[in-house]
Amino acid sequence: GENVEQHPSTLSVQEGDSAVIKCTYSDSASNYFPWYKQELGKRPQLIIDIRSNVGEKKDQRIAVTLNKTAKHFSLHITETQPEDSAVYFCAARRGGSYIPTFGRGTSLIVHP
Amino acid sequence: TAGITQAPTSQILAAGRSMTLRCTQDMRHNAMYWYRQDLGLGLRLIHYSNTAGTTGKGEVPDGYSVSRANTDDFPLTLASAVPSQTSVYFCASSPEPNEKLFFGSGTQLSVL
Repeated sequence: GENVEQHPSTLSVQEGDSAVIKCTYSDSASNYFPWYKQELGKRPQLIIDIRSNVGEKKDQRIAVTLNKTAKHFSLHITETQPEDSAVYFCAARRGGSYIPTFGRGTSLIVHP
Repeated sequence: TAGITQAPTSQILAAGRSMTLRCTQDMRHNAMYWYRQDLGLGLRLIHYSNTAGTTGKGEVPDGYSVSRANTDDFPLTLASAVPSQTSVYFCASSPEPNEKLFFGSGTQLSVL
């Protein structure tokens, strides 16, 4: 089955800095890669996703890149703000499957 | 708009007792899931259902059972709770394969 590794487990940055979270996946048939943000005490919510037919997607300060050859994808947050502090989860899902595989999460702390 | 609703919000349960966690969605999504979230272990899939009438086992199904009698409801039952089932439980739904998950607000369960 699919295996998703996520690094780092904890990331601490100063406000205004950039943050990068990386994930690798094992199943070359995976073609959908969402990222979820979970604030403390809240439910996970999708913040951005990418499909295997594109290499990069941006939404304001957030971007995701995908390297299918190397089987890794990354979340980039620029100009971080304290409200970006949360746990971020990557996931991978193979085509036609209803079941995503999640990484173990990255706790991002943005210091004011 | 209700979306996906879980009940109860929290519960303290004596070991050996049974309990059913409720999950209801009004989005007519085909797929529904139950995850447990434990510190450092991310989101682990317990059971899932691709469509009404079908269920499947996830990564950590032992000690849990589910049913999917209709599209809207996907209850999770602990037949005889054990302390290792202390966790936060999230129900989620997805309209189709390769689409994002919508999470409920979670149930904090403590088994003593």
